[in-house]
Amino acid sequence: QLQLQESGPALVKPSETLSLTCTVSGASISSNDYYWGWIRQPPGKRLEWIGSGDYSGGAYYNPSLSSRVTISVDTSKDQFSLKLRSVTAADTAIYYCARDRRLCSGGTCYSGLAEYFQDWGQGTLVTVSS
Amino acid sequence: EVVMTQSPATVSVSPGERATLSCRASQSVSGNLAWYQRKPGQAPRLLIYGASTRATGIPARFSGSGSGTEFTLTISSLQSEDVAAYYCQQYNNWPRTFGQGTQVEIK
Repeated sequence: QLQLQESGPALVKPSETLSLTCTVSGASISSNDYYWGWIRQPPGKRLEWIGSGDYSGGAYYNPSLSSRVTISVDTSKDQFSLKLRSVTAADTAIYYCARDRRLCSGGTCYSGLAEYFQDWGQGTLVTVSS
Repeated sequence: EVVMTQSPATVSVSPGERATLSCRASQSVSGNLAWYQRKPGQAPRLLIYGASTRATGIPARFSGSGSGTEFTLTISSLQSEDVAAYYCQQYNNWPRTFGQGTQVEIK
């Protein structure tokens, strides 16, 4: 059974870089059928997709965050990571990692297109504060 | 981006009764809609995708319907373990977006 576990600092100072890692167990991170994504939920606000990456190095980001985000996948460790630069208090949120179903049809999987989040981690609260 | 609006914010239903949750899109998302359940302290769980297809292992009391801009998640006979927040998400347009959630409570 697939398990996803987020890890990383719970407290980050303003203007610094938020770094989180998600460890995958129970499934191959090198699957062509999935991306590996990050979603967050600030207090009192709705869930927001941050971005997703795949085992070949491709990554796709929400335009609202794309200038500050990097997502990468490490197949040797079965992990993928999130880096969010220049954080402010507005980046305080619960951060979730998830397995992201790639859009495939008729045996063809489309680059940069994905559908729903098939599996999720429990989430980790990251607070941005000095 | 597509704005997803869920209603009501909270629904209170007696055990064994039906719960109906709504999700509206600001523009058509065809049938490209998913529903998730989130219980406190647990990982969110995919319930429905393609507007009406239950995910693996999801009980038959959960059903989804709708297309275009109007969608519904129905819990046909509410159980105590169904107390949770429920979210819709569209994946027809980029970026993918979520509704603000509906909390299901036991009356």
